[in-house]
Amino acid sequence: TQLLEQSPQFLSIQEGENLTVYCNSSSVFSSLQWYRQEPGEGPVLLVTVVTGGEVKKLKRLTFQFGDARKDSSLHITAAQPGDTGLYLCAGALGAQKLVFGQGTRLTINP
Amino acid sequence: SQTIHQWPATLVQPVGSPLSLECTVEGTSNPNLYWYRQAAGRGLQLLFYSVGIGQISSEVPQNLSASRPQDRQFILSSKKLLLSDSGFYLCASRSGKRQETQYFGPGTRLLVL
Repeated sequence: TQLLEQSPQFLSIQEGENLTVYCNSSSVFSSLQWYRQEPGEGPVLLVTVVTGGEVKKLKRLTFQFGDARKDSSLHITAAQPGDTGLYLCAGALGAQKLVFGQGTRLTINP
Repeated sequence: SQTIHQWPATLVQPVGSPLSLECTVEGTSNPNLYWYRQAAGRGLQLLFYSVGIGQISSEVPQNLSASRPQDRQFILSSKKLLLSDSGFYLCASRSGKRQETQYFGPGTRLLVL
C-alpha cells in the first residue's frame, strides 16, 4: 500500500501548455517536499511547504499544501522543454523520515 | 549549505561479491543520514537511516547493511551481492532538529551480473 499517491505517473505535453501534478494521502504530514530529478542524478529540492493551505511560487511553478496537510499539488504554467524530468513529492512523518510518492515522469515536447 | 558526496558513481559487480558504497557530507555537523534505493524512474525506498555515530535503523529486511563510523560518513555494505541488489542508491542528509528537508547526493548506479 502506497502511503503517498502521486498522479499522474506519466505526462507528456506540448511546450506552452499548463499542467498539474498531485500528491494525496490519508496521513497528515508535518511538511511536504517537492523534488525534481534528472536521469542518473540525485533529486534536487524545489520547495518545502509546512503550513496547511500554504502556497509557494517558484517562477512558473506553484506549489500548494492542502488545508489538512494530507495532500499537495504542483502546477506548472507555460511548460518548457527544460521542465522535463521526474518530479517527486515526499511527506515528513515524524521527525526522522520522509515517505516518497512514486514520481511523475514529465516530458515537455518542443 | 551542505554537500553530499557519493562514490563510486557507477559499479558493476558479480553475484556473490562484496559491496561497499560510501557517502560523506560537508558543510554540516551531526546530520541525520539516509540510504535509499530507487527503481528506474520511480520513487525512493528508504533502506537505512542514522541519527548519530554507530546508530543505524533498518527499514526493510534485505541483503544489505549500513554503518556510520564517523559523524559525516555513512557506508552501505553487503557480504554477498544478489541480482536483486541492482539499482540506483542515493544517500541523503538532514541537518537541524527542526528541519525535515533532506538533501541528496548524486547517487551510485549498481549493476549486479
